[in-house]
Amino acid sequence: EVQLVESGGGLVQPGGSLRLSCAASGFTFSNYVMSWVRQAPGKGLEWVSSISGSGDIKYYADSVKGRFTISRDNSKNTLYLQMTSLSAEDTAVFYCAKFTLTTLSFDSWGQGTLVTVSS
Amino acid sequence: DIQMTQSPSSLSASVGDRVTITCRASQSIRSYLNWYQQKPGKAPKLLIYAASSLQSGVPSRFSGSGSGTDFTLTISSLQPEDFATYYCQQSFSTPPYTFGQGTKLDIK
Repeated sequence: EVQLVESGGGLVQPGGSLRLSCAASGFTFSNYVMSWVRQAPGKGLEWVSSISGSGDIKYYADSVKGRFTISRDNSKNTLYLQMTSLSAEDTAVFYCAKFTLTTLSFDSWGQGTLVTVSS
Repeated sequence: DIQMTQSPSSLSASVGDRVTITCRASQSIRSYLNWYQQKPGKAPKLLIYAASSLQSGVPSRFSGSGSGTDFTLTISSLQPEDFATYYCQQSFSTPPYTFGQGTKLDIK
């Protein structure tokens, strides 16, 4: 069974930094593109970033480019999102999602971790 | 970037009703369109991929159709557990993989 468990969320001040983690199990982690998708309170889903299975190809939404860095450690089956220069607009639940290239869809999701940016 | 527009934004229906939700892309995305269901406080769940393929374990009352720019999600006979918010999402070419704004389906 695929499991994705996010951690690292919390309250951070504007301008601050935070690193999210997503521990994966139940599938061959290094074979899959992984992504972060966020959802601001009461709002819709927003794709944030994706990383290839080997970690050499990365994509970012314009809203986070230059501030967020996606990475992965395939030896630990873990996905990361380093977030810097955070603002109130980054307040959201961040979901880790497994992206399957055969279906080009996010077929498994974690439970999410809440990031709140506030003074 | 490709924009995805869903309609309606909200919808009230009764158990047993047939419901259709529409998603329109700002340019052709061929059949690279997925549908997700999200219940309050929960992660999204994949229902339909590639416009019309049912994800494993999803009830057959859910179906998808369309190609190019216009797509639909149909629930043939609403069940109580189907009241949720539905999102379309395109996976055409490289990211960004944009989502529609969502359609909230609630009980009439």
